[in-house]
Amino acid sequence: ETGVTQTPRHLVMGMTNKKSLKCEQHLGHNAMYWYKQSAKKPLELMFVYNFKEQTENNSVPSRFSPECPNSSHLFLHLHTLQPEDSALYLCASSRERDGGTDTQYFGPGTRLTVL
Amino acid sequence: ILNVEQSPQSLHVQEGDSTNFTCSFPSSNFYALHWYRWETAKSPEALFVMTLNGDEKKKGRISATLNTKEGYSYLYIKGSQPEDSATYLCAFTNYGGATNKLIFGTGTLLAVQP
Repeated sequence: ETGVTQTPRHLVMGMTNKKSLKCEQHLGHNAMYWYKQSAKKPLELMFVYNFKEQTENNSVPSRFSPECPNSSHLFLHLHTLQPEDSALYLCASSRERDGGTDTQYFGPGTRLTVL
Repeated sequence: ILNVEQSPQSLHVQEGDSTNFTCSFPSSNFYALHWYRWETAKSPEALFVMTLNGDEKKKGRISATLNTKEGYSYLYIKGSQPEDSATYLCAFTNYGGATNKLIFGTGTLLAVQP
C-alpha cells in the first residue's frame, strides 16, 4: 500500500465516450503526476502538477485533460479517445517536484481499453 | 532523445540463485538514478535513489551500485526468492530545462522458480 489510490482499476470505453480517471494521495505530497504505459514501452510522463499548478505537459493530445483541484486529488478527463490510447495509466505523487531526487509513490494504475 | 536501456529484458532463475541486472543511461548532465520494483497488478515500489558516482545502496538482499561517469547502474539480488519475482525498473533524471523528470527504461522481468 503506497498511499496513492486510483479509480477505476479497469475501464472500457467507446471512442465517443467521456470518462474520468481519479487519483488520490494520502501522503501530504505537493506534486502529482500522470504516466502512461503502453505495451512493451517504458513508463511515459504525461503531466505534472506542483502545488496544484500544471508545470509540465509532455506534448499530450488535448483529448486528455488533467485537473488538480487540490494537492490530494488529480483527475484525467478523457474524451474522443482512439484505440491506440488503450494503456495502463498510472498516477504518482512526491513531496515536491524538485531536482529529480524525490521518490515518487505510485498508484496501482487504471487499465484503459478504448473500443 | 534521452534513452534508458535495461538488460536483460527478462530473466528466469532458480530459488537461491543470485542475479543482477543493468541499467544504462546518458552520463551527461546526470542528476539521479531511481530503481523501482513492480509486481504484477500492484503499484511500482521505490527501492533506491542514487546520486553520487560510486554510490552503493542496500536493502535486505537487494543492492545497487552507480557509475555516473560511464552511465550505468547494477541491481543485485542475493539468494533470490519467489517473492522477488517482479519487473525491476530504473529511471534517471538529468539537469536542464524541462527535462528534469523521471525517464524510465522498459524494465527487467525477473521470474524466480521455487
